[in-house]
Amino acid sequence: SQTIHQWPATLVQPVGSPLSLECTVEGTSNPNLYWYRQAAGRGLQLLFYSVGIGQISSEVPQNLSASRPQDRQFILSSKKLLLSDSGFYLCAWSGGAGNTIYFGEGSWLTVV
Amino acid sequence: AQSVTQPDIHITVSEGASLELRCNYSYGATPYLFWYVQSPGQGLQLLLKYFSGDTLVQGIKGFEAEFKRSQSSFNLRKPSVHWSDAAEYFCAVGAWLQGAQKLVFGQGTRLTINP
Repeated sequence: SQTIHQWPATLVQPVGSPLSLECTVEGTSNPNLYWYRQAAGRGLQLLFYSVGIGQISSEVPQNLSASRPQDRQFILSSKKLLLSDSGFYLCAWSGGAGNTIYFGEGSWLTVV
Repeated sequence: AQSVTQPDIHITVSEGASLELRCNYSYGATPYLFWYVQSPGQGLQLLLKYFSGDTLVQGIKGFEAEFKRSQSSFNLRKPSVHWSDAAEYFCAVGAWLQGAQKLVFGQGTRLTINP
C-alpha cells in the first residue's frame, strides 16, 4: 500500500533562517505531489504542485520554493523565513489528475 | 473560480445525536467533491468522495454525504455521533490544473461532542 511521510513534524526557526521540509511517498511511482499550508484559523491553501521530476508549479507568490529531485521526493524550502511563514504544512500525493489526494501527517512550523 | 463554503464554523452535538455538516460549492463543470477530517495536530484523512454515479456516497466511520446538483451542495451526515468524531471537517472541490488536480477547501467546521 502507499504511504506518505513528511518531516520534521515540528520546527521552531528564527526569522531569517533557512527552511527545509521533506516529503516522500512509498508504494507508487510517478505520483502528483503537493504542498499545502494551513495557517492558524484559516483553511488550506495549495502552495506548489508537481507532476514529475523537476517540474514544479507555484500557485501563490511567496517566500517559499519547492523542488522534486527524485520521483517520490518533494522538498519545501526557504532561504530566509518570515514570521508570516508560520503554519501547518501538509504534503500530499495523488495517482494522477482526477484521483484522490492523500495527505501526510503535517509539519508544524513556528517562526520566532 | 472554484469555491467552497462551509457555513458553520463550529457545531456542538451530544453523543448519540445525528449530525449534518453543510457544504456548498461553486464550480462550472461536474465537480469532484471530498470530505476530509482532521484531528488536532494531525494531517487530513479522507472520509468520502464523489466523482460520479450514485449521489449518495458512503464513507468510513459511518459517514455519508449526498450530492445535490440543484443546490450545489454536498452535505455530510452521520446518524449517531461518537465522542471520537470530535475533529475539524473540511469539504473540498477538485479543480483541474495542468496535469494535476488541486483541492479547493472550505474553511472547515469544528465539531464538538458533548457527553
